[in-house]
Amino acid sequence: DAGITQSPRHKVTETGTPVTLRCHQTENHRYMYWYRQDPGHGLRLIHYSYGVKDTDKGEVSDGYSVSRSKTEDFLLTLESATSSQTSVYFCAISLGDNEQFFGPGTRLTVL
Amino acid sequence: QQQVKQSPQSLIVQKGGISIINCAYENTAFDYFPWYQQFPGKGPALLIAIRPDVSEKKEGRFTISFNKSAKQFSLHIMDSQPGDSATYFCAAYSNDYKLSFGAGTTVTVRA
Repeated sequence: DAGITQSPRHKVTETGTPVTLRCHQTENHRYMYWYRQDPGHGLRLIHYSYGVKDTDKGEVSDGYSVSRSKTEDFLLTLESATSSQTSVYFCAISLGDNEQFFGPGTRLTVL
Repeated sequence: QQQVKQSPQSLIVQKGGISIINCAYENTAFDYFPWYQQFPGKGPALLIAIRPDVSEKKEGRFTISFNKSAKQFSLHIMDSQPGDSATYFCAAYSNDYKLSFGAGTTVTVRA
């Protein structure tokens, strides 16, 4: 998985609780991305980062926030989880040369 | 609204047969078209990619055909093998360092 780890790999939580997912890379890539994968929708971009403290919204950013205080870590936070955020979340990294490398994913269930 | 439309949603092929997956796009700013392969429980992995100035690219049993005027591209898997059973995503990349994905096609190769 190209030096990308995601934690936790599985999480079950309750509606209304905050949740933070972590993506860690050892490749020193500048660009990092958070996607969610849902049946019939493929992968949809939530947020991305183009450097430390530089982030921007993707197509499905409502209800999510991100932070990147170090090159190697990109955090995705659900401030108040809802059942519609039950999904598989993937982190990806890129040098900015078109190719993205994906992590193993985090399966999140919101009850 | 999905920027890249992918079909079919699923297909079943006999071992040795040809699998064909089609994608279409509207945004002429897209300038790089990768295909990703995903096995259950894993993150997507880059399989093959093409730029719009090339009409065909072949890597082993996998071929991308690209029709720039029709804004369509397709993946052909020749001599399909059981190990090719996976979900395949087409994608399109624009110069803002973001990928837009199709909804995915689940390919099942019967032995």
